[in-house]
Amino acid sequence: DIQMTQSPSTLSTSVGDRVTITCRASQSISSWLAWYQQKPGKAPKLLIYKASSLESGVPSGFSGSGSGTEFTLTISSLQPDDFATYYCQQYNSYPLTFGGGTKVEIK
Amino acid sequence: QVTLRESGPALVKPTQTLTLTCTFSGFSLSTSGMCVSWIRQPPGKALEWLALIDWDDDKSYNTSLKTRLTISKDTSKNEVVLTMTNMDPVDTATYYCARTPPGYCSNTSPWYFYSWGLGYQVTDSS
Repeated sequence: DIQMTQSPSTLSTSVGDRVTITCRASQSISSWLAWYQQKPGKAPKLLIYKASSLESGVPSGFSGSGSGTEFTLTISSLQPDDFATYYCQQYNSYPLTFGGGTKVEIK
Repeated sequence: QVTLRESGPALVKPTQTLTLTCTFSGFSLSTSGMCVSWIRQPPGKALEWLALIDWDDDKSYNTSLKTRLTISKDTSKNEVVLTMTNMDPVDTATYYCARTPPGYCSNTSPWYFYSWGLGYQVTDSS
């Protein structure tokens, strides 16, 4: 199984900050990576697919990059609505696997 | 409009079998390249993929749980059913069903999820 490792696990930050979250795969997954945002008590919401493609309706302040084994999710200027937990997911091969999550909290 | 809704027992006892139903609307699981999956999330923990069924009735399972899981579909009822045998307290979680965008997914071609149900809380407790 492909292991997905996210860092950091928690990020204390402020509105307006630039935020970068890293996701590493235990083997190459090409660009077959998605990012999700999850708020407490809610289902995950797709943000990015194929490593860097922005899902329709997602604010342009979100961006993704990377290929192979290392990927990043960047929020260019953190907004109040962006405080949440973020997960990466590889879909290069079965079984599908998710990262452990990064909680973005208010400093 | 695409909707998915999970249902089942809220409480199960250890060793019992859990049966969850995902009832969906706004799409057909007989559409080529469509998949529906089950994903769970224990309280305060990360997402864990469980199982997937594709438009052609082929399936894929979580490696460590596959002996306990069965996924099936009833296309006429727009339902996907997950059974998990020999439940344990560590299986306490919110269980989600989710679908892929049409056209690309199969049991040999994985994809991402762009519509999710609201989730269903299952507690395993004696």
